[in-house]
Amino acid sequence: GAGVSQSPRYKVAKRGQDVALRCDPISGHVSLFWYQQALGQGPEFLTYFQNEAQLDKSGLPSDRFFAERPEGSVSTLKIQRTQQEDSAVYLCASSLAGAYNEQFFGPGTRLTVL
Amino acid sequence: KQEVTQIPAALSVPEGENLVLNCSFTDSAIYNLQWFRQDPGKGLTSLLLIQSSQREQTSGRLNASLDKSSGRSTLYIAASQPGDSATYLCAAFTTDSNYQLIWGAGTKLIIKP
Repeated sequence: GAGVSQSPRYKVAKRGQDVALRCDPISGHVSLFWYQQALGQGPEFLTYFQNEAQLDKSGLPSDRFFAERPEGSVSTLKIQRTQQEDSAVYLCASSLAGAYNEQFFGPGTRLTVL
Repeated sequence: KQEVTQIPAALSVPEGENLVLNCSFTDSAIYNLQWFRQDPGKGLTSLLLIQSSQREQTSGRLNASLDKSSGRSTLYIAASQPGDSATYLCAAFTTDSNYQLIWGAGTKLIIKP
């Protein structure tokens, strides 16, 4: 079956632009996570959804970051007024049931802010 | 606060050798620990997940162990192959980390043909 997919794979934005990153989790997976990964580092947690409910958004670095999963499947991570420090790879993961289950990752979206 | 450390940051070994990658964590109250591999420019692939009640998990040439009392997990790779070259990351859920996996920075493994 299909794995987690993300689009676009690469995004270049000028500073100040808004961007939207999409994640399609594995069908039927309840849990969905967003991570930010800087070069040479492990992923940093951003936010967690269980179905359509956003249960933890404590990792979002500022109020410019917003995530949604309105129907409990596809999720969008939106970054407003992008800044250079937002440049990173944004990873999405899903798991079948609760947060503590095995997570399956998408290929990521590499965001470069000029 | 849970901290996860992976040493060394990089490792290079000849093909065919058995090797061990290390992962240390500071808080023994973990729920589970997961090992991943990451290939350049790609996402993370789950390798093994060990529940807190387990001591080890095996998948093919991979064996992961968990020792909560010493705060250590190891990933053993038998008969290494050039295709095993990747960055290996471990990540732990602790009982007080809410929904957040706590990650190590990874070990970059190079298998020389």
